[in-house]
Amino acid sequence: EDKVVQSPLSLVVHEGDTVTLNCSYEVTNFRSLLWYKQEKKAPTFLFMLTSSGIEKKSGRLSSILDKKELFSILNITATQTGDSAIYLCAVASGAGSYQLTFGKGTKLSVIP
Amino acid sequence: KAGVTQTPRYLIKTRGQQVTLSCSPISGHRSVSWYQQTPGQGLQFLFEYFSETQRNKGNFPGRFSGRQFSNSRSEMNVSTLELGDSALYLCASSPRTSGETQYFGPGTRLLVL
Repeated sequence: EDKVVQSPLSLVVHEGDTVTLNCSYEVTNFRSLLWYKQEKKAPTFLFMLTSSGIEKKSGRLSSILDKKELFSILNITATQTGDSAIYLCAVASGAGSYQLTFGKGTKLSVIP
Repeated sequence: KAGVTQTPRYLIKTRGQQVTLSCSPISGHRSVSWYQQTPGQGLQFLFEYFSETQRNKGNFPGRFSGRQFSNSRSEMNVSTLELGDSALYLCASSPRTSGETQYFGPGTRLLVL
């Protein structure tokens, strides 16, 4: 059974701090790893990673994948209160058609 | 482009009833996936439809079913509702040309009493 584990489950930081969120996985027929941000509504897409060692960056957010060790990290620098959300990691797997297996998420709270 | 839309947004039902939820994908997207989200289990995959065919199915009982129409709109049906079916049901669409990136709708929050 495919498994995605995120850590920590929750995190409280002060504005300006840098945070690292972790995602490890065990899946059959790995295709890609995706990060989403979920506030009080639909998850919004952040990154899709398919290759090891290539950092994806968007503003203060960045992510990297290690396919040998089967994990990914999501970094957020200079955190702001607007970064408060649940961050979801998902892995796409499957030989033909695919499905996404989600971790339970990391709840990030940024306090002023 | 309009995003993924889901109706209704909120629903209250009683045990034993059935419910139908609707999802309209982003224009041009042919793949629609459904997920159940609960505090304890997180986001769990229900099924995926592509060109009116179910391509993949998660580990849910047969009470959960779905279909997709020729315009890519999709419906999900849950029969004989149980208290444990209370959840946020999310629909996501994908163009299938940009890999596995899925775009989520706002969800339907179902409460079963």
